[in-house]
Amino acid sequence: ETGVTQTPRHLVMGMTNKKSLKCEQHLGHNAMYWYKQSAKKPLELMFVYSLEERVENNSVPSRFSPECPNSSHLFLHLHTLQPEDSALYLCASSQEQGLNSPLHFGNGTRLTVT
Amino acid sequence: SQKIEQNSEALNIQEGKTATLTCNYTNYSPAYLQWYRQDPGRGPVFLLLIRENEKEKRKERLKVTFDTTLKQSLFHITASQPADSATYLCALDSDTGRRALTFGSGTRLQVQP
Repeated sequence: ETGVTQTPRHLVMGMTNKKSLKCEQHLGHNAMYWYKQSAKKPLELMFVYSLEERVENNSVPSRFSPECPNSSHLFLHLHTLQPEDSALYLCASSQEQGLNSPLHFGNGTRLTVT
Repeated sequence: SQKIEQNSEALNIQEGKTATLTCNYTNYSPAYLQWYRQDPGRGPVFLLLIRENEKEKRKERLKVTFDTTLKQSLFHITASQPADSATYLCALDSDTGRRALTFGSGTRLQVQP
């Protein structure tokens, strides 16, 4: 158990579907993140939330919509995705939103868009 | 543009030897550098953090160096074991003001028994 739980672990969706990824952290951290990991590419930062406020939106297409209802939960709402959006989506948390604060990752949601 | 380079080719070593992985960066002046381990199908796990004013950091069989002149960090695993086989990622802060880590693409380490 990593302290950061992501559900579902695997998701297959069509391009017209709407789905949501869920992340929950049990560590009492104040910052949460979404990263995208595609094959043979570095992790790409998508969104950062600090104390439930979005502080970073890394030019992510609007078909990805994050939501942070409280400091323990983070969602990524998906709609009208493209096949190139297929990837491993990783959620992470840190004690505070600072560059010297290690990230604690969940095990990701493997997303396949057909 | 800013760039982080890790050897994309897998590193194969014999059990008991020291593994050395390299992280080079350009157009950065990072204040911190972090190393993570990632196993297949799992999220990365934090290993070590080193600050720009620290030359070396150790944790059990792990050692990290940080040379801001060479713009390079070396990650060493001494007395390597097959269980050390994984992908190792380095991560830095960013000069662009982005308030989160930027990761390299990682190096796959395979320790042969």
